[in-house]
Amino acid sequence: QSALTQPASVSGSPGQSITISCTGTSSDVGSNNLVSWYQQYPGRAPKVMIYEVSKRPSGVSNRFSGSKSGNTAALTISGLQAEDEADYYCCSYASNTTLRVFGGGTKLTVL
Amino acid sequence: QLVESGGGVVQPGRSLRLSCAASGFNFNNYDIHWVRQAPGKGLEWVALIWYDGNTKYYADSVRARFTISRDNSKNTVYLQMDSLRAEDTAIYYCARQNDAWGAFDYWGQGTLVTVSS
Repeated sequence: QSALTQPASVSGSPGQSITISCTGTSSDVGSNNLVSWYQQYPGRAPKVMIYEVSKRPSGVSNRFSGSKSGNTAALTISGLQAEDEADYYCCSYASNTTLRVFGGGTKLTVL
Repeated sequence: QLVESGGGVVQPGRSLRLSCAASGFNFNNYDIHWVRQAPGKGLEWVALIWYDGNTKYYADSVRARFTISRDNSKNTVYLQMDSLRAEDTAIYYCARQNDAWGAFDYWGQGTLVTVSS
């Protein structure tokens, strides 16, 4: 099972919006709504930001939103803030013996 | 809370057992995953064990070498790693699956495994 495809890096200025894509296949992203997004700061454990494609856990800013079309999911962060600078990973349920597959990760830089 | 332990430096071909101790929630009700991250690299899903220990899944890269297990009386999940390779060098995280979300809602701090001669 290959990793999901994410851009290696994205950047934006404070206040702007950015979108990180996550492309999989009909066996993972395209087959279910169990797509989640994780934020990770250097040296820290990941934190879930989005689950089931577009739902936000309590406590996560509404500046974070998720969507999906076909085999591609996306994370959008609006009103960029310096604290959003981190690595972001998508994750999907996969309908084979490898139950979960992650994206390669995207480093977000806030200029 | 999830706390991993058992990491360290091990020679290629040798074995190591990681532990993930849980507290603060009803451990018996939750599926637990192991996820690893090689130095400077992305996250890689490793293994899953269901809440009752009866069903287990593995990534292709570790199947037949790693074994996940749990002792619900000790609120602990284990990852037995055999025939270790240099490419198994990583921080190993355990993570709780929130069944309502289908996502990992709590993660441990990770334990570093280094496979080197």
